Amino acid sequence: DAGVTQSPTHLIKTRGQHVTLRCSPISGHKSVSWYQQVLGQGPQFIFQYYEKEERGRGNFPDRFSARQFPNYSSELNVNALLLGDSALYLCASSLVPVGILQGSDTQYFGPGTRLTVL
Amino acid sequence: GQNIDQPTEMTATEGAIVQINCTYQTSGFNGLFWYQQHAGEAPTFLSYNVLDGLEEKGRFSSFLSRSKGYSYLLLKELQMKDSASYLCAVRVYGGSQGNLIFGKGTKLSVKP
Repeated sequence: DAGVTQSPTHLIKTRGQHVTLRCSPISGHKSVSWYQQVLGQGPQFIFQYYEKEERGRGNFPDRFSARQFPNYSSELNVNALLLGDSALYLCASSLVPVGILQGSDTQYFGPGTRLTVL
Repeated sequence: GQNIDQPTEMTATEGAIVQINCTYQTSGFNGLFWYQQHAGEAPTFLSYNVLDGLEEKGRFSSFLSRSKGYSYLLLKELQMKDSASYLCAVRVYGGSQGNLIFGKGTKLSVKP
């Protein structure tokens, strides 16, 4: 079975540009979360979506937006890029939202998109 | 607020045992996870604890004390491939931060 997939793998942009990152969850998973991981830090939560609805939003500016499609894939959009947006962007999928998972059920992470802003 | 602390870096020798500690202050605790993350790669699930005590899985064990807000990951018979970052994460009910709160990670270097 395919795991979580993300595209592109790497991306280089300049300040002020816009970027769209894409994620396909594990088959059967209906919830997708996005995380930003700056070098040397743990993942920071950006968004969680379930059944095409936003189910949570972290402390990120409005330049960050996301959506989920009927096939449960998701896009993360970042406008007006800043140097500080350079990071590994991780997508994770789960059967249902993380907040109602039980037992050892957890999210499964994709390989990430490495974004560099120059 | 939600806070998770773990050491930034640790070094150990191949074949030895290492313990990585994690302390947390969170509300709505619903389980603690350990993930392994090799440089530039996605975190992968290692272990889960929700009740106090030790969970063993091969060379890896994880311990939880809910009253102390404390967990550790124990790695035995260290191998070079264990060089990675180890992330402690707490799952919470009803959190506004996505329900899975991560620590900053502990970078483990295994030396010959």
